[in-house]
Amino acid sequence: DGGITQSPKYLFRKEGQNVTLSCEQNLNHDAMYWYRQDPGQGLRLIYYSQIVNDFQKGDIAEGYSVSREKKESFPLTVTSAQKNPTAFYLCASSTPRDRLNTEAFFGQGTRLTVV
Amino acid sequence: SQQGEEDPQALSIQEGENATMNCSYKTSINNLQWYRQNSGRGLVHLILIRSNEREKHSGRLRVTLDTSKKSSSLLITASRAADTASYFCATDRGSTLGRLYFGRGTQLTVWP
Repeated sequence: DGGITQSPKYLFRKEGQNVTLSCEQNLNHDAMYWYRQDPGQGLRLIYYSQIVNDFQKGDIAEGYSVSREKKESFPLTVTSAQKNPTAFYLCASSTPRDRLNTEAFFGQGTRLTVV
Repeated sequence: SQQGEEDPQALSIQEGENATMNCSYKTSINNLQWYRQNSGRGLVHLILIRSNEREKHSGRLRVTLDTSKKSSSLLITASRAADTASYFCATDRGSTLGRLYFGRGTQLTVWP
């Protein structure tokens, strides 16, 4: 089955800890994205990557870091510098066959809670 | 920052009724997309309408786009309880990078 997998589904972080959220896709997509969703809110872009070994900051990158060493994987690290990390994190991928009209495929999300 | 604003923020209807959700945006676009999100889950793509299209259908879904008014609507006909979810519109703001900008969504509840 082709798809995009996020793990874990639930994650608890202590104050001052870094945590890494996993995102893997087997859709052979070039582009991958990380979004944050707060209750009752839309999605805000954290980081995105158009190609392996390259990534760009989104609208709310402070306190987060990413890597893109493999086409299939785009892990997100939530660092201790992120002051309010409790949120629902969504990973997505897309392939710009037609760069003007490309849909995104989403994982099932990771709910991060600071305890 | 939010690109679009969906309205209403919440919509509650009975099964069998039609549900209409609206989305407004502020910039030029290449396309506008609608996504659905069940509670606590990821988003699922529903339909994409290009800037040179005015209307598109997919099953019980009908999407319209008015670029002069910078607005779109999503109509779900003959709603079912299983349609209960949040619905988001997203645009590309004219970018070719594949980035999407989402609104805050409409929470649709369909009562049996």
